[in-house]
Amino acid sequence: QSALSQPASVSGSPGQSVTVSCTGTSTDVGGNNYVSWYQQHPGKAPKLMIYDVSNRPSGVSNRFSGSKSGNTASLTISGLQAEDEADYYCSSYGANRMFGGGTKLTVL
Amino acid sequence: EVQLVESGGGPVQPGGPLRLSCAASGLTFSSSWMNWVRQAPGKGLEWVASISPDGTAKSYVDSVKGRFTVSRDNAENSLFLQMDSLRAEDTAVYYCVRDRGYWTFDSWGQGTLVTVSS
Repeated sequence: QSALSQPASVSGSPGQSVTVSCTGTSTDVGGNNYVSWYQQHPGKAPKLMIYDVSNRPSGVSNRFSGSKSGNTASLTISGLQAEDEADYYCSSYGANRMFGGGTKLTVL
Repeated sequence: EVQLVESGGGPVQPGGPLRLSCAASGLTFSSSWMNWVRQAPGKGLEWVASISPDGTAKSYVDSVKGRFTVSRDNAENSLFLQMDSLRAEDTAVYYCVRDRGYWTFDSWGQGTLVTVSS
């Protein structure tokens, strides 16, 4: 059982925006600004997409953005593209070294 | 460019040992917290072990304590995971991962598959 709760799946059509949530507690997500998001395509290693709640590593598209409100962090993908179809995981400092359970994004 | 290349995975019988290696390049390995993260088939990510830059501080997920040992050789830019008393539930892809700080994993290897089965 993950310390961080994510929806099992989300979906959207090309060009739309989708948001993936990650709900924790005041000791992890709500207690610091160290939330990260990872993208994983089938058979591939995870890739860091967002760190420190809302920062993008070099080379990550600006269609990916992160935010946080209280104990819930969110990853928003705008201008959805077929290549965005993947699994997305969140993590947070203070969450007992656990990842979220993962969210499968389907591009319709 | 950071490269982390794992090796050593493969089939192993229950109760047997296996040693994973990770060769690192393109980063200041001796200053990096390193981790092993695994993913069972069709499942999510699970942190397994961490080791401090100088190798003196180590931590493990409860399910592998007493069976797995993480180590490193900074002179060779290498990370290791000695896995003993392997169980079927240890079957997974094992990733070598760098923590840039505050539980942020910015570099991942391609993974190596460990299959525990009789």
